[in-house]
Amino acid sequence: KQEVTQIPAALSVPEGENLVLNCSFTDSAIYNLQWFRQDPGKGLTSLLLIQSSQREQTSGRLNASLDKSSGRSTLYIAASQPGDSATYLCAAPNFGNEKLTFGTGTRLTIIP
Amino acid sequence: KAGVTQTPRYLIKTRGQQVTLSCSPISGHRSVSWYQQTPGQGLQFLFEYFSETQRNKGNFPGRFSGRQFSNSRSEMNVSTLELGDSALYLCASSFMSSGANVLTFGAGSRLTVL
Repeated sequence: KQEVTQIPAALSVPEGENLVLNCSFTDSAIYNLQWFRQDPGKGLTSLLLIQSSQREQTSGRLNASLDKSSGRSTLYIAASQPGDSATYLCAAPNFGNEKLTFGTGTRLTIIP
Repeated sequence: KAGVTQTPRYLIKTRGQQVTLSCSPISGHRSVSWYQQTPGQGLQFLFEYFSETQRNKGNFPGRFSGRQFSNSRSEMNVSTLELGDSALYLCASSFMSSGANVLTFGAGSRLTVL
């Protein structure tokens, strides 16, 4: 059974700084890993999906990496902005490519 | 392309009642998954439907059920509501892309049980 952990649960960073969010998973036999963003009271927005054959995936100021051997993924946010404040969740599939198990998220606050 | 539509967005029920939530997936998506999100447990998988068949099921009691119609719209039902059922219920429709199950989530239905 897949277990996903995100540490820290909350993070506050001054505007303009670069930051890294961490995600670890127990079952490394995954085909992919996804990062999502959730604003308060809203649904989830998909940010990046990394295939197991990739090591990194980039979208604008966001860069996600995947290291299956160590069971870790990171989400790097460059030049943070107040609009980046949200909860960030990573999700890994069970049994390679089936239902997703989500981490509990990191609540990010960017301080203007 | 319209996104995933969930109705109702907010509802209040009392213990013992039942509730039905609806999810309309993105046109062309045949898979619909349901998740429960609470502050204490985070996001937990309820079930997934594909072509009107339940394909996966999470660890929830039988009071939680769902179905999918021929147009891929899905409903979930919770009977005999308990206080602990208060949560944000999220629906996601998905398609396979390069071997990955790509999910798009709706805004959710926030259920409060009094």
